[in-house]
Amino acid sequence: GAGVSQSPSNKVTEKGKDVELRCDPISGHTALYWYRQSLGQGLEFLIYFQGNSAPDKSGLPSDRFSAERTGGSVSTLTIQRTQQEDSAVYLCASSLGAGAGELFFGEGSRLTVL
Amino acid sequence: ELKVEQNPLFLSMQEGKNYTIYCNYSTTSDRLYWYRQDPGKSLESLFVLLSNGAVKQEGRLMASLDTKARLSTLHITAAVHDLSATYFCAVDLNDYKLSFGAGTTVTVRA
Repeated sequence: GAGVSQSPSNKVTEKGKDVELRCDPISGHTALYWYRQSLGQGLEFLIYFQGNSAPDKSGLPSDRFSAERTGGSVSTLTIQRTQQEDSAVYLCASSLGAGAGELFFGEGSRLTVL
Repeated sequence: ELKVEQNPLFLSMQEGKNYTIYCNYSTTSDRLYWYRQDPGKSLESLFVLLSNGAVKQEGRLMASLDTKARLSTLHITAAVHDLSATYFCAVDLNDYKLSFGAGTTVTVRA
């Protein structure tokens, strides 16, 4: 597609429920990132996928968080048993490849956990 | 751990005047990026700086990188209202993992 597409744009859930956030990167981009942006804060790295290589999961805050990327394209970030501190905007970005310079960001999925 | 610090965090600009945002980082890197974020929107790439002494300009914005000082600056010339946004700098940790500053929220007033 023309840009990075994320869905849903807004998600309100109750504490303890599971949520799935989806990212469709720019066609041809082999690298895909998930970042988290809490209110008034900078961006926190979560996970990185590059081609068929093992993902870098070093930024995932707990084992309740997981992500997968199917077919080297669409990615899903799953948060199990959501907590209020998970409330944030989850941003997905893609780039042409490792060390390829700038990232192209989607508009984010705003998650609110009540 | 790479730390990226921006200052100021909030900047109230008067139209027509010049201002500078600073981005300091703690570990050697020669790859630095500036992004702009409008409220409720995603991040838009402004500049990619890939070497010591790199300077890039676009309209009223100019970014520079001094890798020896571990410092990048974003200079705004003759501020106008449509520059109101939050500006982030980001530094490469290891070729792909960007570490972001906290952002500088800019408001331009008449």
